[in-house]
Parts: sequence; structure tokens; C-alpha cells
Amino acid sequence: NAGVMQNPRHLVRRRGQEARLRCSPMKGHSHVYWYRQLPEEGLKFMVYLQKENIIDESGMPKERFSAEFPKEGPSILRIQQVVRGDSAAYFCASSLYRQGETQYFGPGTRLLVL
Amino acid sequence: AQKVTQAQTEISVVEKEDVTLDCVYETRDTTYYLFWYKQPPSGELVFLIRRNSFDEQNEISGRYSWNFQKSTSSFNFTITASQVVDSAVYFCALSRDYKLSFGAGTTVTVRA
Repeated sequence: NAGVMQNPRHLVRRRGQEARLRCSPMKGHSHVYWYRQLPEEGLKFMVYLQKENIIDESGMPKERFSAEFPKEGPSILRIQQVVRGDSAAYFCASSLYRQGETQYFGPGTRLLVL
Repeated sequence: AQKVTQAQTEISVVEKEDVTLDCVYETRDTTYYLFWYKQPPSGELVFLIRRNSFDEQNEISGRYSWNFQKSTSSFNFTITASQVVDSAVYFCALSRDYKLSFGAGTTVTVRA
């Protein structure tokens, strides 16, 4: 009865380093979403992926951020050359189908950039 | 554009009091979906309820109840006989397809 798994739960990086956040969806779910929670901005959609496809990345910053959901293995959100403004909670969610379906969230990864 | 407004920033109550959280939404779509999520102090996001725009039937689940009114574009949430464990941030969310638009959240503090 595993839910959405995310790791690491906490990640500390220095400015300029790379951050890799992992997400394993619920069993049987093929739709994965990433959201970012910033203190002053709230929860915002970043990207929607299906296996091997990026469906919508309209919420992703244009530079330094990328996401993938390979055929095998977890979905990865990658942030290159992190800056202090990237410090936030990053949540992954998954759903069984697409339209209007309930998205179940993982516990989140708290990224702190020093 | 879709927008969710949770006007109440913080609510503080004493245990066993009822708490009602307001949620007002804006959308031009005729088909849409509404959600409530809870974020306890431990930080995870917990799904509470989902409603589609064609289902205005209100629901009661244990101490939780929801009041969906399309005429006023509101989807309010009530906790009856609150408990300390209900202390959390509660988010209302709206989607047309897959992209959730969240409100700013309401922090509920239940004091013993």
C-alpha cells in the first residue's frame, strides 16, 4: 500500500551545485506532477510527465530546471547550479488517469541552498 | 484563468469548537474539479476530498463536511468538534484538467 515516495526528504546544497530530487509514483499510476511550495508564493505547478514524455512544463523556470520520467525508474527533477531562491519544498504527485483525477502527493523534498 | 481565494489566513479555536474554512473560486470552464488538501506540521500534503462541477451534493465524512455551491462559486469545508490533531494548513484547489491551482491556504490551530 505504498504511496508516492520521494527522496531525499531533506537536501542541502551550496550555491552552484546540482540538486536531484526523486519521485516514485503510486503503484499503477502513470501520470506524475511536480509542484513547488515557496513561502511567499504558495504551491505552484511546475511540470506534468508521463512515461518518457514531458506533457506540460509551463510552470518550470526556463533555465537550470529539467524533469524526466524514464521508462524504468523514478521521475527526476533536476536543478543545476542552484541559487538561494531555489530553496523550497518540492512535491511530487501522481494520478491514475489525467483529467480531473485526484493527485496523491508524496511527503516532499525540502531543499535548502546555502 | 483559474483562481482560488481562501480569505482566511489563520483560524484559532479551542478543542471541540466547529471550524468552517471558506474557499471561493473563479473559472470560465463548465467542467472543473475542486479539491481540499491538508498539510499537517509534518509537511506532507494529504488529500481530503474531490468534487466535479456537476456534483453539487454536499458530503459528510465523519467530522468533516463540505458545502459546494456553484451559484456562489464556493466550496467550503467544516470540521465539527475540532481536535488538536486537526491543526494544519488546509488548501483548496481547482483544476480544469490536470494542473492544480491552489489557494494560499488557511492555517488552523486547535488549542487544547
